[in-house]
Amino acid sequence: SQTIHQWPATLVQPVGSPLSLECTVEGTSNPNLYWYRQAAGRGLQLLFYSIGIDQISSEVPQNLSASRPQDRQFILSSKKLLLSDSGFYLCAWSLGIPDRGYEQYFGPGTRLTVT
Amino acid sequence: AQKITQTQPGMFVQEKEAVTLDCTYDTSDPSYGLFWYKQPSSGEMIFLIYQGSYDQQNATEGRYSLNFQKARKSANLVISASQLGDSAMYFCAFNAGGTSYGKLTFGQGTILTVHP
Repeated sequence: SQTIHQWPATLVQPVGSPLSLECTVEGTSNPNLYWYRQAAGRGLQLLFYSIGIDQISSEVPQNLSASRPQDRQFILSSKKLLLSDSGFYLCAWSLGIPDRGYEQYFGPGTRLTVT
Repeated sequence: AQKITQTQPGMFVQEKEAVTLDCTYDTSDPSYGLFWYKQPSSGEMIFLIYQGSYDQQNATEGRYSLNFQKARKSANLVISASQLGDSAMYFCAFNAGGTSYGKLTFGQGTILTVHP
């Protein structure tokens, strides 16, 4: 069966510091991968998605970047964090099956607080 | 652009009763998918149910069913026989077909509280 891991689970970082959040998927190959952010009490906003290694698309202009160095690894980064980067970051994967609407499964998330 | 609306910030239901969570969407795409996710206080997003725009029948998954009314652009979630463990935030989500690659647009969510 497939599993998705994210780390760290929680992170407190000062403004201006760099960021690296990691997501890995096990038990499948060539998944579509996604990064979402959730502000407190709000719905999720898609940040990036990837349909293959080194194929990254950004959905909103922001202070963040994403990379996919391996098939089942997705990394979210920032060179200098802003206060507005605080939130709950969720990674998700899908098999890319149109008949199932690209059904997505989420990782446990990383709670980021920028101070 | 697609839009998803959940008009109920919070809902209360008695244990063992059924509850309906509302979701409406706005799109001009002929092909799309509708999803419901559950988010407990732990934060994980749990997939509940999927409905494709061309599906003739309403989707069902155990105690969850999706009341899909295409002409009204609504996709309400019905939870039958509510349990205390159903207390959580529920999100409706949408993705367009074609080359959208599954990008989900989420509603604002509904907090469901199940009373014993």
